[in-house]
Amino acid sequence: EAQVTQNPRYLITVTGKKLTVTCSQNMNHEYMSWYRQDPGLGLRQIYYSMNVEVTDKGDVPEGYKVSRKEKRNFPLILESPSPNQTSLYFCASGQGTYEQYFGPGTRLTVT
Amino acid sequence: QKEVEQDPGPLSVPEGAIVSLNCTYSNSAFQYFMWYRQYSRKGPELLMYTYSSGNKEDGRFTAQVDKSSKYISLFIRDSQPSDSATYLCAMSANTGTASKLTFGTGTRLQVTL
Repeated sequence: EAQVTQNPRYLITVTGKKLTVTCSQNMNHEYMSWYRQDPGLGLRQIYYSMNVEVTDKGDVPEGYKVSRKEKRNFPLILESPSPNQTSLYFCASGQGTYEQYFGPGTRLTVT
Repeated sequence: QKEVEQDPGPLSVPEGAIVSLNCTYSNSAFQYFMWYRQYSRKGPELLMYTYSSGNKEDGRFTAQVDKSSKYISLFIRDSQPSDSATYLCAMSANTGTASKLTFGTGTRLQVTL
């Protein structure tokens, strides 16, 4: 089954404790991206990747890191999470921006 | 000012009604326009995408783009309770892999029996 998977689905952590949210796709897509979704602000792009080892900033990259060492994986790293990073996070993949397949989401709470 | 503006709703309509959902934008570089549907507690799913100006139809859904007015619309004919969801517009300057994607905040639609 073609899909984008994210783990964990739910995470509660404390300020400053490094965490990684994994994202994997099995559709051989070149384009992968991370978004955060907040009430009243909608979906905002954090980082995107055009291919292995090629990444670029979206609209809200501060406080996040990404890496693309393999085509299928695109982990999101929060080196020192803060409460303002509490949000619903989505990973997506596609052949380009015109058709994105989204994962199920990761709800992150930082206390 | 946000690059993409979308009325958050909620929009409540009776079953069978024609629904009109809209977005305005300020960035004239946008050329690719998408509509996504998001059910509660799920990730968004692509409904339609269009390039530049014009109309595109897919079953009960029609997408319209008016680049001169920087205005896009999604029409849903014969709306069904299963159409109840949040609808997100999205735009990019190009569809290649080297491009950002900008979303509207979403309009929540409720179709009642």
